[in-house]
Amino acid sequence: RKEVEQDPGPFNVPEGATVAFNCTYSNSASQSFFWYRQDCRKEPKLLMSVYSSGNEDGRFTAQLNRASQYISLLIRDSKLSDSATYLCVVTPSNTGKLIFGQGTTLQVKP
Amino acid sequence: NAGVTQTPKFQVLKTGQSMTLQCAQDMNHEYMSWYRQDPGMGLRLIHYSVGAGITDQGEVPNGYNVSRSTTEDFPLRLLSAAPSQTSVYFCASSYSAQPYTFGSGTRLTVV
Repeated sequence: RKEVEQDPGPFNVPEGATVAFNCTYSNSASQSFFWYRQDCRKEPKLLMSVYSSGNEDGRFTAQLNRASQYISLLIRDSKLSDSATYLCVVTPSNTGKLIFGQGTTLQVKP
Repeated sequence: NAGVTQTPKFQVLKTGQSMTLQCAQDMNHEYMSWYRQDPGMGLRLIHYSVGAGITDQGEVPNGYNVSRSTTEDFPLRLLSAAPSQTSVYFCASSYSAQPYTFGSGTRLTVV
């Protein structure tokens, strides 16, 4: 079993739709959680950190459920520019490592 | 403040050649890592470092060496290039549990 698992998609949605991505992780000692965005052939860029209390940044909402070892990302009012691959990332405690999920591809259509 | 700088951006090697991928950061980050990304797969950790003089293996370390003699630099050495090492390589750095910043990548082809 992979340490971090995501549904690879692709998710094809119309502009304005709401879309949710899920991620599960296997290491209960994981410390930090992030969503990164990666555009084709570019480096990953931080979208947002994920906290147990949940956090929101504009149209994006991230949730963490430590008991279920589950992370989610909700995108509201999808834009064409949201088309990208979204990477779920977990950091085991005090290791300095990032463990990546396979990524979920989102394609927003006009 | 240049962030994380990787060189070269593109490289073609012949099987059996060796080379070093360079990574430098100017943010005084203690953590640095190397990843490779292959089509249809996520990023896989090659080697990482939690500070100068300290390195450790990741998920796919075979065929690669690293050293961390300074806080700023974390070079990745390919000892004897193989076609299976054709990939996009990303270097990243971070301070403690903060999010990592990635370099723009090196696209390596081994023929």
